Amino acid sequence: EPEVTQTPSHQVTQMGQEVILRCVPISNHLYFYWYRQILGQKVEFLVSFYNNEISEKSEIFDDQFSVERPDGSNFTLKIRSTKLEDSAMYFCASRRDSQETQYFGPGTRLLVL
Amino acid sequence: QKEVEQDPGPLSVPEGAIVSLNCTYSNSAFQYFMWYRQYSRKGPELLMYTYSSGNKEDGRFTAQVDKSSKYISLFIRDSQPSDSATYLCATIAAGNKLTFGGGTRVLVKP
Repeated sequence: EPEVTQTPSHQVTQMGQEVILRCVPISNHLYFYWYRQILGQKVEFLVSFYNNEISEKSEIFDDQFSVERPDGSNFTLKIRSTKLEDSAMYFCASRRDSQETQYFGPGTRLLVL
Repeated sequence: QKEVEQDPGPLSVPEGAIVSLNCTYSNSAFQYFMWYRQYSRKGPELLMYTYSSGNKEDGRFTAQVDKSSKYISLFIRDSQPSDSATYLCATIAAGNKLTFGGGTRVLVKP
């Protein structure tokens, strides 16, 4: 069964450094998402992406964040200058055009020191 | 008022019992309803997806939606220790972001 994959599984970085989180969505999916989950809190929406542009973003998704689909398979989330409060699990999700169901990847655990 | 609310639990049941999970939501624009299962430090795994009010059954799982009272339920029959996880309800207005509840932690004791 096809699945969303994410790399790396864990990332430790110093405050102020840039990180890039990578996702490979399910191959015939057209809508892509990033969510995050701070330890012990809800899964929160960050951004949605369709047709090579952002379709919606939350207030969390400020100028420090960007997304890109650099080729036909990868979908990336970049945090330009990480802050301590960016420490969280980051989940990528994707869905097909014809249904609302979103399928999640296993997540990247980001720790900012 | 929070958009989607769940009792955080933990809900502890003996193996073989029925697990009953509930969720309420506030936004009438929500049209689609999902239940995800999340094991510790893993990604949410889709269990059930419903659109209309009523029941939907899949194996040991039954999802119920009551749009008039904005109430969503998940029942797990013949619960197993492997069902121990956090169960997240999620809703969506057409086309975009999922809004999650905080999750209910379930422990099924052998």
